[in-house]
Amino acid sequence: KNQVEQSPQSLIILEGKNCTLQCNYTVSPFSNLRWYKQDTGRGPVSLTIMTFSENTKSNGRYTATLDADTKQSSLHITASQLSDSASYICVVSAGNQGGKLIFGQGTELSVKP
Amino acid sequence: NAGVTQTPKFQVLKTGQSMTLQCAQDMNHEYMSWYRQDPGMGLRLIHYSVGAGITDQGEVPNGYNVSRSTTEDFPLRLLSAAPSQTSVYFCASSFSGRRDSPLHFGNGTRLTVT
Repeated sequence: KNQVEQSPQSLIILEGKNCTLQCNYTVSPFSNLRWYKQDTGRGPVSLTIMTFSENTKSNGRYTATLDADTKQSSLHITASQLSDSASYICVVSAGNQGGKLIFGQGTELSVKP
Repeated sequence: NAGVTQTPKFQVLKTGQSMTLQCAQDMNHEYMSWYRQDPGMGLRLIHYSVGAGITDQGEVPNGYNVSRSTTEDFPLRLLSAAPSQTSVYFCASSFSGRRDSPLHFGNGTRLTVT
């Protein structure tokens, strides 16, 4: 069964600290992996998209990594800011079924001053 | 630069009522879709469209209808609302034919069915 599991479910960190969010998937065949940021009361916004051949992609203070062999991805946030408080969603696109997207449940990040 | 616009932002319905959630995008995207987001669950696909006049079912289509008469608009109709349809609904769009094209989401409609 195609699944995307994220950990931790929630995380509290102090402003200025770094953190890493995890995503494990069992989707096969694999097409690409996406990370989205969802602020409270808003729709998700794309942070990165990585294909099979990419193992790192950055977007400002956000750096995503992908290990297609172990089917794991991480999202590293550097020098966190209060505005980073949000839900971070990992999404895997299947290589068949017309590129079906399988969504993780998200990690709720809270950055405290 | 509006992107994806959803209306209304909030709606309360009684069981058995019908309504239409509106979605419009101004990016000339061929692909449009509707998702629902429930606590503790990932976003689930309700219906999608790869172009005007073409629609198809997602994983949770029961109780919902869609149509796509123009590229810009993709309304979602609830035929007879049920409490199980209480959720936050998101419309999303992207370019078709490119599997690495990001989805652009609206800001959602929060629906409560009593």
